[in-house]
Amino acid sequence: QKEVEQNSGPLSVPEGAIASLNCTYSDRGSQSFFWYRQYSGKSPELIMFIYSNGDKEDGRFTAQLNKASQYVSLLIRDSQPSDSATYLCAVTVGADGLTFGKGTHLIIQP
Amino acid sequence: KAGVTQTPRYLIKTRGQQVTLSCSPISGHRSVSWYQQTPGQGLQFLFEYFSETQRNKGNFPGRFSGRQFSNSRSEMNVSTLELGDSALYLCASSQGGRQHGYTFGSGTRLTVV
Repeated sequence: QKEVEQNSGPLSVPEGAIASLNCTYSDRGSQSFFWYRQYSGKSPELIMFIYSNGDKEDGRFTAQLNKASQYVSLLIRDSQPSDSATYLCAVTVGADGLTFGKGTHLIIQP
Repeated sequence: KAGVTQTPRYLIKTRGQQVTLSCSPISGHRSVSWYQQTPGQGLQFLFEYFSETQRNKGNFPGRFSGRQFSNSRSEMNVSTLELGDSALYLCASSQGGRQHGYTFGSGTRLTVV
């Protein structure tokens, strides 16, 4: 059974600070890792994907992958109120579709 | 470039009925996946189609089926609707390489009464 675990939150972060979101996965065969952002009432929007160990940066976002420890994280620098949303971690294993965590609700406090 | 288009946006159906949802992927995307999102279970994978062939299937009963046409458009069908089928159904498209992620449509909100 493939599982992706995330702390449901809410995670409250002051505006301008770094928000750190974490995700662990159970299947060591997981190959690709994704972070999606979902605003209330909207569909998920892809923020970043990563499939090699280490860090990947895109603007204010950094994804970090550690396959040995089976976790992937997302850092959001200079957090803005518009970053307030639910962040979904997803992984793929082989030919299977995306397996999602239940998401972390992030609140950026002005 | 147009995004993933799902129709209809909202549906209300009665238990026992069947429903068909439609998805048009981003132009050039050959892979279409379907997901069910509920507050309790989160996002769950239903199935994926690539070049008109079902590539894989999630853990859902046979009442859930789908197909993909030669123009990559996809339909999802749910027969003998149950109250528990009430959910947001999301379609996602990809060029075919999973490592590059999927783009989601706005979804179809299905309510079964």
